Amino acid sequence: GAGVSQSPSNKVTEKGKDVELRCDPISGHTALYWYRQSLGQGLEFLIYFQGNSAPDKSGLPSDRFSAERTGGSVSTLTIQRTQQEDSAVYLCASSSYGTANTEAFFGQGTRLTVV
Amino acid sequence: KQEVTQIPAALSVPEGENLVLNCSFTDSAIYNLQWFRQDPGKGLTSLLLIQSSQREQTSGRLNASLDKSSGRSTLYIAASQPGDSATYLCAVPAMKSSGDKLTFGTGTRLAVRP
Repeated sequence: GAGVSQSPSNKVTEKGKDVELRCDPISGHTALYWYRQSLGQGLEFLIYFQGNSAPDKSGLPSDRFSAERTGGSVSTLTIQRTQQEDSAVYLCASSSYGTANTEAFFGQGTRLTVV
Repeated sequence: KQEVTQIPAALSVPEGENLVLNCSFTDSAIYNLQWFRQDPGKGLTSLLLIQSSQREQTSGRLNASLDKSSGRSTLYIAASQPGDSATYLCAVPAMKSSGDKLTFGTGTRLAVRP
């Protein structure tokens, strides 16, 4: 596609429910990142996928968070048993190889509200 | 651990003014530095990527400079317009041993008054 696409754009869920957020990176980009932006806060790194390598999960805040990337393309971020502190904008980015070499392009984000 | 700071946190200027946004980083061993803008409720839009071997990069009314040795980058916006109102973020990638992720500054919120 022309850019990084994320869905849904907005999600309201009840505390305790599971949610799935989807990211479609730019075609051909091998690197994919998830970040979280809480209200009034900076961007927090969550997870990084690069090709077929094992993902860097060092930023995931708890074991309720997981992500996968199927076929080296689309990625899904899953949050189980959501809590109110999970409310944030979840941003996905991709780059053609990795940010050490190339630009990162971001999607429009998914605004998650846990009530 | 890399830390990125942006000053000022907020800036309000009249239309037409030239302005400078500042970004500083603690570890000068960087591959590159990227500037983004973020409109309210939106994702990030890439503005400029400046490689560590470059001293500046230009795109339209925007000019980014990089001084690795002093750990600083500036984003110069010429002839500002109300449409430039947004939050501006700078980011640097971690060195390979720390994984390939961006460390972001906290941003400068710019308002350009008509």
